[in-house]
Amino acid sequence: KQEVTQIPAALSVPEGENLVLNCSFTDSAIYNLQWFRQDPGKGLTSLLLIQSSQREQTSGRLNASLDKSSGRSTLYIAASQPGDSATYLCAVWSTDKLIFGTGTRLQVFP
Amino acid sequence: SAVISQKPSRDICQRGTSLTIQCQVDSQVTMMFWYRQQPGQSLTLIATANQGSEATYESGFVIDKFPISRPNLTFSTLTVSNMSPEDSSIYLCSVVGRGRAFFGQGTRLTVV
Repeated sequence: KQEVTQIPAALSVPEGENLVLNCSFTDSAIYNLQWFRQDPGKGLTSLLLIQSSQREQTSGRLNASLDKSSGRSTLYIAASQPGDSATYLCAVWSTDKLIFGTGTRLQVFP
Repeated sequence: SAVISQKPSRDICQRGTSLTIQCQVDSQVTMMFWYRQQPGQSLTLIATANQGSEATYESGFVIDKFPISRPNLTFSTLTVSNMSPEDSSIYLCSVVGRGRAFFGQGTRLTVV
């Protein structure tokens, strides 16, 4: 059974810091991995999608990497801003299902 | 990308009643997914809804409690039946396009 874990569970940093959020999964047989952002009480916004054959994807200040063999992905946020405050979720496609991680709650203060 | 509209966005319901949540997509999709997010938790898949067939439920979720309809390729409903306070959650529908999952804004349900 696929299990997805995210570390840390919560993170509070001053504005301007570079951040690394971690995601690990137990079964390396995945189709792809997707990072989402969720603002309080809201739905999910897709940030980055990494296909199983890819190693990384970039969008603006965000960079996501994938190491299937070790069951890990990282989301790198450069020069963090207060507007980045949200919960970040990783999810893996595994046997026609999207399995979500436990989430990292990020707070960036001015 | 797919645009997903969910209704209602939030509701407060009495225990023992039922609520039907609607999910409308702006394009035809084969599979639609329903998730539950309990307070402070991540998302858990309830069921996968395919047009023209019965929904496939995940372990711990049953059709009598969460009946799902999928009358066409752009629409689905999830009903939360005989509600109790433990059903208070955000319910989200999702579709997949080009390998990427898209989500509605969710329905925040509070059962009192």
